[in-house]
Amino acid sequence: AQSVSQHNHHVILSEAASLELGCNYSYGGTVNLFWYVQYPGQHLQLLLKYFSGDPLVKGIKGFEAEFIKSKFSFNLRKPSVQWSDTAEYFCAVRPMDSSYKLIFGSGTRLLVRP
Amino acid sequence: DSGVTQTPKHLITATGQRVTLRCSPRSGDLSVYWYQQSLDQGLQFLIQYYNGEERAKGNILERFSAQQFPDLHSELNLSSLELGDSALYFCASSPPSSGTDTQYFGPGTRLTVL
Repeated sequence: AQSVSQHNHHVILSEAASLELGCNYSYGGTVNLFWYVQYPGQHLQLLLKYFSGDPLVKGIKGFEAEFIKSKFSFNLRKPSVQWSDTAEYFCAVRPMDSSYKLIFGSGTRLLVRP
Repeated sequence: DSGVTQTPKHLITATGQRVTLRCSPRSGDLSVYWYQQSLDQGLQFLIQYYNGEERAKGNILERFSAQQFPDLHSELNLSSLELGDSALYFCASSPPSSGTDTQYFGPGTRLTVL
């Protein structure tokens, strides 16, 4: 079955610390990959996406992610977090089959302490 | 603001009741997706419509149904409600294309079943 795993459920960092959130998926075919962020009380917003090409993608607010096909991974990184990055982060995969549904990971809650 | 609107924002109802959630996609988007976000199940895909036709089904219960109307808005009907149906229900839309598109999420409807 297709699934997405986010290994870190809760992460606590101090401001200026570096961030890496892991995401692995299970699907043997072509996929599109996404990271969404959900700030407290708000809806999901797209951080970045990978469709093809350069496996290192840059998104909004200084976030980037690297697609490593051999590891079925799409980890999210930010060199220096800010208090305003406190949110829940979701990795999502869209298998390029006949439907365009997104399969989400369970999310990682990030708390950045000032 | 993603351009996807959902009403109502909050809904409180009793077990056994029936409710309807409404979603208006972004202008020009033909696809509508429904997702359920709950504490125990995470973010799960329910169903997708494309230009009025059902395209894909996910973990949608038989008590739930949806439709997309000619003006492309969609409704999710939840009946015989149970306590476990309490969740945040998101709608997303994406533009017509070959499939490499981003889904834009609405603000969600928070359903509380008492």
